[in-house]
Amino acid sequence: RKEVEQDPGPFNVPEGATVAFNCTYSNSASQSFFWYRQDCRKEPKLLMSVYSSGNEDGRFTAQLNRASQYISLLIRDSKLSDSATYLCVVNRAPRTGGFKTIFGAGTRLFVKA
Amino acid sequence: DTEVTQTPKHLVMGMTNKKSLKCEQHMGHRAMYWYKQKAKKPPELMFVYSYEKLSINESVPSRFSPECPNSSLLNLHLHALQPEDSALYLCASSQDQGFGTRTWQFFGPGTRLTVL
Repeated sequence: RKEVEQDPGPFNVPEGATVAFNCTYSNSASQSFFWYRQDCRKEPKLLMSVYSSGNEDGRFTAQLNRASQYISLLIRDSKLSDSATYLCVVNRAPRTGGFKTIFGAGTRLFVKA
Repeated sequence: DTEVTQTPKHLVMGMTNKKSLKCEQHMGHRAMYWYKQKAKKPPELMFVYSYEKLSINESVPSRFSPECPNSSLLNLHLHALQPEDSALYLCASSQDQGFGTRTWQFFGPGTRLTVL
C-alpha cells in the first residue's frame, strides 16, 4: 500500500461543475499537508496548504481529518484552466531526522466546455 | 525574486559522460531538494539539504552525487548513468524544514535528461 493514496482519475467534468478529490495517508507521524497542481510538462506549483480547521481560497476548499488520515480538495465552478494534475503532498519527520516529502500519484482533471 | 532556476533545461548524455545539473534560488530558503519525475508519475524525492547539510538521501545510487556549495546553490553531479535514469529532474526549495507552512516548496522548471 502506498503511503499517500489518491483517487486514480481521470476526472472529466463540464465547466461549472463541482469536483472533489480525496487523499489518504497511512503514516500517523505526517505533520503537514498540501495540494499542488501540475500542468503538462511543467513543474508542480503549490495550490494550497491544508489546515486542521479547513481552509478556503476562492473556489478551492481543503479539508483535513487527522483522525481518519484523510485530506480533500473541493473545486467549485470549474474553469477550463483548472485542467491539470492535482497532487496530494504530505510531509513527515522520519526517526532519522529531517523531513520527508511524499507525493500521491496525482489525479488528472479535464474540464470541458 | 521568487523563483527557482535550473540549468540546463535539456540535457542529452551518454552513459560514460559526466555532467552536472544546477539549481539556484535567492529567496533565502534554507532547505533545498532534488526530485526525479518519470512521465505520468509523481515526483520522487532523491535528496534534501537543510542548512547546507545533507539531511535526507533516499537510497539514491552513487552515480548521482549532490552538492550544496552555499545556501543559494544546489548541484547534482551525474556519472555513468543508465538509460532508465532518463527523466525530469526537479529542484525545489522551502523556507526551512520546520513545521506547517514553512515546509511548502517552490519548484524549478526542471532539467529534462535523456541518457543514451
